[in-house]
Amino acid sequence: DAMVIQNPRYQVTQFGKPVTLSCSQTLNHNVMYWYQQKSSQAPKLLFHYYDKDFNNEADTPDNFQSRRPNTSFCFLDIRSPGLGDAAMYLCATSRRPSGATTDTQYFGPGTRLTVL
Amino acid sequence: AQSVTQLDSHVSVSEGTPVLLRCNYSSSYSPSLFWYVQHPNKGLQLLLKYTSAATLVKGINGFEAEFKKSETSFHLTKPSAHMSDAAEYFCVVSDSDSSASKIIFGSGTRLSIRP
Repeated sequence: DAMVIQNPRYQVTQFGKPVTLSCSQTLNHNVMYWYQQKSSQAPKLLFHYYDKDFNNEADTPDNFQSRRPNTSFCFLDIRSPGLGDAAMYLCATSRRPSGATTDTQYFGPGTRLTVL
Repeated sequence: AQSVTQLDSHVSVSEGTPVLLRCNYSSSYSPSLFWYVQHPNKGLQLLLKYTSAATLVKGINGFEAEFKKSETSFHLTKPSAHMSDAAEYFCVVSDSDSSASKIIFGSGTRLSIRP
């Protein structure tokens, strides 16, 4: 089945130690998104890739970076994790929209990040 | 600008009784609307979506939602709740200012099911 895969499902890191989260997709979608979700809150968009074009949200901290080496993979790098970065990180994909139509976003299972 | 309001942060129903989760939206055009469900420590699963076709949309697991333009609502319903329906539900509206299918989330409604 076509899907969005995130690895690892659970990640523990130390305060200030760089960490990378991985997302892959078999849907061949053009757009990939990274969201941060804290407890009892809605997901918050960090950035997205539209093909190779990187689009950062205005309030995403510089501590968060992303790479998309090819259509299938996208990485979230946290350069110096703080305690406040502990959250669920969700990857999503969608096809390139046509006209004003918004295509559906398909989410992965998420990576739960713990910062010690 | 688009926005979405989920009117209840928590809804509790008994197993076998109807479910109603309320959602109102604000949009300057005819939006795309979605309901997603999230079980604990899981990703978001699409329940159903409205994209200007039939106003009554049927989704998975017996859920459906009705788009009412006059009321700017897109409430989610299910005739008979099951214990497995206990989860967080998000109403979502499309962001027309985006070139890449960005969406706007409601704050979520936690659905609890009493035995």
